[in-house]
Amino acid sequence: EAGVAQSPRYKIIEKRQSVAFWCNPISGHATLYWYQQILGQGPKLLIQFQNNGVVDDSQLPKDRFSAERLKGVDSTLKIQPAKLEDSAVYLCASSLTWTVSGNTIYFGEGSWLTVV
Amino acid sequence: GENVEQHPSTLSVQEGDSAVIKCTYSDSASNYFPWYKQELGKRPQLIIDIRSNVGEKKDQRIAVTLNKTAKHFSLHITETQPEDSAVYFCAARMDSSYKLIFGSGTRLLVRP
Repeated sequence: EAGVAQSPRYKIIEKRQSVAFWCNPISGHATLYWYQQILGQGPKLLIQFQNNGVVDDSQLPKDRFSAERLKGVDSTLKIQPAKLEDSAVYLCASSLTWTVSGNTIYFGEGSWLTVV
Repeated sequence: GENVEQHPSTLSVQEGDSAVIKCTYSDSASNYFPWYKQELGKRPQLIIDIRSNVGEKKDQRIAVTLNKTAKHFSLHITETQPEDSAVYFCAARMDSSYKLIFGSGTRLLVRP
């Protein structure tokens, strides 16, 4: 079974520049998540989609971060303009759905962002 | 607000010894508690999970216990091996928001 695919794996940008990350979830998974993992910390949910609708984006810094999942399959997370504190691993994850407790969340390998 | 606390932040054990990692959660309505293992530079991978209707679950050398009254759950690894060295994250799913909230992680080092 193919896993969650993410690209690019690594990105270095200067502050105030923009960056975009792409994610393709496991086939058939309706729920897609973007997590931010700062070094030495646990993953923090940024945004959660159910198909092409947003379920939760309460932790997304909307002044600089945006995400979309237009056709309910793959998703893009954008940061513009980037700040130094955005340096982190951006993990995409997916699950069959979110309404059934215990639905396993599968993670991608992550996109490592360094802002200099 | 929703919070999951995890201890210890680092744990070093001798190969063959047991390791225990503990987590506490704030929302008494939480009903799902997974544990993820993350090796350096790799994705977090689910190793075991437990639901609130059971108190303990075991899978070979790994076990998880849940105390709903005290709102804490623990990961137990017996007969540790060097390949168990990784960062372990606990998480709790809050029914009030359906979000999965992660702990801050425990870096486990198993010394050969």
